[in-house]
Amino acid sequence: GAGVSQSPSNKVTEKGKDVELRCDPISGHTALYWYRQSLGQGLEFLIYFQGNSAPDKSGLPSDRFSAERTGGSVSTLTIQRTQQEDSAVYLCASSLSVSRQRGSYNEQFFGPGTRLTVL
Amino acid sequence: GNSVTQMEGPVTLSEEAFLTINCTYTATGYPSLFWYVQYPGEGLQLLLKATKADDKGSNKGFEATYRKETTSFHLEKGSVQVSDSAVYFCALSGREGSGYSTLTFGKGTMLLVSP
Repeated sequence: GAGVSQSPSNKVTEKGKDVELRCDPISGHTALYWYRQSLGQGLEFLIYFQGNSAPDKSGLPSDRFSAERTGGSVSTLTIQRTQQEDSAVYLCASSLSVSRQRGSYNEQFFGPGTRLTVL
Repeated sequence: GNSVTQMEGPVTLSEEAFLTINCTYTATGYPSLFWYVQYPGEGLQLLLKATKADDKGSNKGFEATYRKETTSFHLEKGSVQVSDSAVYFCALSGREGSGYSTLTFGKGTMLLVSP
């Protein structure tokens, strides 16, 4: 399909292990976002990539979290030494860059998410 | 900073009832406003949007009007269906100095519609 895809759809891991979550954005979208959806916290912004610019990492909750975007397309979110509080659904979204969009809004298209459970 | 406040759920209605889900926001500048919907087992989908004051977004019978004077973007539907049962998120997107922005979401409101 032409939408945002994420893998795996579900991940169960043991506390202390590292995990990698993958996101394939919509072709042609230069902006890519990661969010976290957890009970009681709603949707939280984690990190943002725009083309070749330095990513906005202001939402990452700790230095155990990192993300890469290779070749301006696929992105990987890595969580090191996972903790139980990391259990959540991790959502990826993509959009056209703001400068290329009509109007002044930033419409983001979301993937189905990866449900992470840390035991 | 930007923030979005929406009514807590769950909202429980009978089919064909009128729906209102309140949403208010705090933001600098002129944000765009969105309602996203998440059906059970599915990802977030954009339901409707409004990019400037007094704009009305509409889709699938849902409407919301961008009210700058009350900083609100309440979601309404005249007659809900069982298939509307989902979690609804109000969100805003503002222009930052660097030319990009992120979405700020409310915590979501669960809607349950019974036959």
